[in-house]
Amino acid sequence: NAGVTQTPKFQVLKTGQSMTLQCAQDMNHEYMSWYRQDPGMGLRLIHYSVGAGITDQGEVPNGYNVSRSTTEDFPLRLLSAAPSQTSVYFCASSQGAGGGEWWTQYFGPGTRLLVL
Amino acid sequence: DQQVKQNSPSLSVQEGRISILNCDYTNSMFDYFLWYKKYPAEGPTFLISISSIKDKNEDGRFTVFLNKSAKHLSLHIVPSQPGDSAVYFCAASATGNQFYFGTGTSLTVIP
Repeated sequence: NAGVTQTPKFQVLKTGQSMTLQCAQDMNHEYMSWYRQDPGMGLRLIHYSVGAGITDQGEVPNGYNVSRSTTEDFPLRLLSAAPSQTSVYFCASSQGAGGGEWWTQYFGPGTRLLVL
Repeated sequence: DQQVKQNSPSLSVQEGRISILNCDYTNSMFDYFLWYKKYPAEGPTFLISISSIKDKNEDGRFTVFLNKSAKHLSLHIVPSQPGDSAVYFCAASATGNQFYFGTGTSLTVIP
């Protein structure tokens, strides 16, 4: 199993450009989420999905869009990048409701985004 | 307002001794808790979890204690090893979906 994979590893954008951060998992997890981490802060939830076709907002959703058309993939879209979106972005997945410690989230390696 | 707090930004411990990392939370509805270790330029690595039906969970050298009345969570690492040097994050959730993370504690284990 590759676990949770993210692409690209690093990206530089100009203000106003758009891009999609990719996230995929091969663990058949129902739940997927996106976080951002800024210096001196913990991870903050942007959007999450409890299953294909279902998404919801987290703590800091403004400026980001998501969709979940398959169980495996959960892309994060920046429609018009701003310098305030310079951050490290992490994708995570968990089993979702069910047996065992279903809430345990497993993270990808992250995407570093710089918006100029 | 920070719902999950890790009030110690850093901690240094001698190799072989116990490391105790602390986490406080404000929302009494939080029932699911996670601890992660993070190295620079990598994603968080899951360490151990606990739900509110337990007050302790062990996995090898790692033990998590939960005190719901005090809204306090702690991670014990025994014995500490140099490879444990990393930033440790705690996270909490009411639903198991939306997790709130602390700001992290940087642990240094001195050989």
